[in-house]
Amino acid sequence: GEDVEQSLFLSVREGDSSVINCTYTDSSSTYLYWYKQEPGAGLQLLTYIFSNMDMKQDQRLTVLLNKKDKHLSLRIADTQTGDSAIYFCAEIFEYGNKLVFGAGTILRVKS
Amino acid sequence: DAGVTQSPTHLIKTRGQQVTLRCSPKSGHDTVSWYQQALGQGPQFIFQYYEEEERQRGNFPDRFSGHQFPNYSSELNVNALLLGDSALYLCASSLSYGAGNTEAFFGQGTRLTVV
Repeated sequence: GEDVEQSLFLSVREGDSSVINCTYTDSSSTYLYWYKQEPGAGLQLLTYIFSNMDMKQDQRLTVLLNKKDKHLSLRIADTQTGDSAIYFCAEIFEYGNKLVFGAGTILRVKS
Repeated sequence: DAGVTQSPTHLIKTRGQQVTLRCSPKSGHDTVSWYQQALGQGPQFIFQYYEEEERQRGNFPDRFSGHQFPNYSSELNVNALLLGDSALYLCASSLSYGAGNTEAFFGQGTRLTVV
C-alpha cells in the first residue's frame, strides 16, 4: 500500500544541523522527494533520490536512503532561520507520475 | 519562465455551488496533476492529465472533474461543494507522463473556502 510517515515537529538552533526523517511502505517506489512549503505558499522541490542510490548531496542538503528499512532522511547543514518551513517527503511509482506525500514535518529554527 | 501559475489565488464559495480552478503549466511541460491539501496535512492526489485525457485518478468522488486543453493548461471543477472541500488546491506540472522520474513543479495554489 501507499503510506508515507514523518515526524511532526523539529526544533533546532541556527547553525546546527537538522535531520528530518521519513518512512515509506511501498518498495516499488522509484524516486523519493523532499519538498519545502513556506506559509501560504506552494511546494518547492528541494531534492530527490533514485531508489538505487544510498546518498545524494546537494550543497547544504544530504539525502540518505535505507531501502531495506524503507527509511529516508534529509539533513540540512548549518540550518538558517530561512529554513523554517514544513518539509514533505514524497514517493513516486514506476508507472505514472502520482506523488504520495507524508503529512509534513514542521521545522522551526531558533536564532 | 513563469513557472506554474494558478488562478484565482483565493476563492470563497457557498455549499452546493460549483467552482472552476485554473492552471498553466511550466513552459515545455505536458502533464498536469492536481492535489488537494487540507489544513495540517500533506497534499492528496486528485488526478492527472496528459494529452487532454485523465490518466490517473486518486480517491476522490465524481464531483471532482477536470480538463486539459491543447496548450496543456488545465482546469479543475468541483460540483456540489461541501464544507470539507475547503483546502489549498495545488497544480503540478511535469514532463512526459509515464517517464518515471520527472521533477514536478508546483504552483502557489488556490485557497478555496466553502461556507
